[in-house]
Amino acid sequence: ETGVTQTPRHLVMGMTNKKSLKCEQHLGHNAMYWYKQSAKKPLELMFVYNFKEQTENNSVPSRFSPECPNSSHLFLHLHTLQPEDSALYLCASSQRGVQYFGPGTRLTVT
Amino acid sequence: GIQVEQSPPDLILQEGANSTLRCNFSDSVNNLQWFHQNPWGQLINLFYIPSGTKQNGRLSATTVATERYSLLYISSSQTTDSGVYFCAVGLGNDMRFGAGTRLTVKP
Repeated sequence: ETGVTQTPRHLVMGMTNKKSLKCEQHLGHNAMYWYKQSAKKPLELMFVYNFKEQTENNSVPSRFSPECPNSSHLFLHLHTLQPEDSALYLCASSQRGVQYFGPGTRLTVT
Repeated sequence: GIQVEQSPPDLILQEGANSTLRCNFSDSVNNLQWFHQNPWGQLINLFYIPSGTKQNGRLSATTVATERYSLLYISSSQTTDSGVYFCAVGLGNDMRFGAGTRLTVKP
C-alpha cells in the first residue's frame, strides 16, 4: 500500500524538542486526517482537513500544530511534548468518506 | 458523541474456523467502515458499508443501520487474518473508532 506515505516511521524526541511529522497522499483525495493511537485505547481523531481547510479539531492540545499546504500534503508540528504523547500517529486520506491510512509514525517522547 | 462498542474484545480461532465480529453504535450514521490492523500497525480498509451487505472473498459484512449494528464475517480463517479489527462510524468525515476485536488464528 503506497497510496499514503508517512515520514519518519519512528521518532524519539525529548520534551524540549521540536519535530514535524509528514504525510503525503498520492490518491487525489480531498480530505486528510491525523489520528492518535495510544496503547489500549481506540484511535482518536485529532484533525481533519477538507480541501486544505481545517474542519475538525477534537480538543487537541496546542503543542500539536497541523499544517496542510495543499491537498496532497499534511504535517503535524510537535513541540514541548509530554511522555503521555508517546503513541502511533496515523495519517489518512479519503474521497467520498472511504478512508485510506498510511503506515504511521511511532513516536516516543523521553 | 457517538459511542461505538465492538465485541468480542478478543477471539482465538483454529485455522479454518468461521467467526462473526459485531459493532454496535449509539446514533444514526452515514459512514461505517471496517478495518484490519496488521501486527506492524498498518490499517487496511476492508469495507465501506453504511448499510446493506457486501462480500469480498472470505470476508463479508452486513450493516443494519436502523438497528445500529454491523457484523463482519470471516470464513475459513487463515493465520494471516490475525490482527485487530476495527469498526469506525460517523457522519461524513468525523469518524469514531471502536476499541477493536483482537483476532488470533492458530495453525
